[in-house]
Amino acid sequence: EAEVAQSPRYKITEKSQAVAFWCDPISGHATLYWYRQILGQGPELLVQFQDESVVDDSQLPKDRFSAERLKGVDSTLKIQPAELGDSAMYLCASSLAGLGTEAFFGQGTRLTVV
Amino acid sequence: GEDVEQSLFLSVREGDSSVINCTYTDSSSTYLYWYKQEPGAGLQLLTYIFSNMDMKQDQRLTVLLNKKDKHLSLRIADTQTGDSAIYFCAEILYNTDKLIFGTGTRLQVFP
Repeated sequence: EAEVAQSPRYKITEKSQAVAFWCDPISGHATLYWYRQILGQGPELLVQFQDESVVDDSQLPKDRFSAERLKGVDSTLKIQPAELGDSAMYLCASSLAGLGTEAFFGQGTRLTVV
Repeated sequence: GEDVEQSLFLSVREGDSSVINCTYTDSSSTYLYWYKQEPGAGLQLLTYIFSNMDMKQDQRLTVLLNKKDKHLSLRIADTQTGDSAIYFCAEILYNTDKLIFGTGTRLQVFP
């Protein structure tokens, strides 16, 4: 069964270091989302891609976060420099696009900044 | 604002029904969803409802939608211990693919 792949599953990094997460969506899914989920809260949308284009990054802290999806397939989310408050689960999801289509989620990357 | 609100916690006895409530923000939202998240895992779509529907039933799950009050509920019949998880409602904002999640309700089922 097709699934959204994310790596790594877990990452521990020191504050001020750079960290990157990778996501491979389900083949053919044009829409890709990155969410951040702080412990005890709901997922918060960071960035949304339609193919290779960013359609919403209004909640992305652009001074330290960047995201790209160069060929409209897999995507990378980077944090530089990491801060203690960035500790969270980072979830990637993809959908075929179009209103109402199901968004499929990966297992997430749990980031701990120490 | 874009705050989708849910009660934080619900505890039920095994075999009873559970009702999880959600208040969403956009009266023009076309699709509303319920996702389940087990510990340490990603989110699994349970069911969804289109905005022109009042109710949708899928086996043990019943979704009720009150558009006037922007209220969504999920009823789980014959709740089992395996239903223990966090449940999130989510909405697609009108004319976008932007999927906004609620704060989540932790359901605990006890024997």
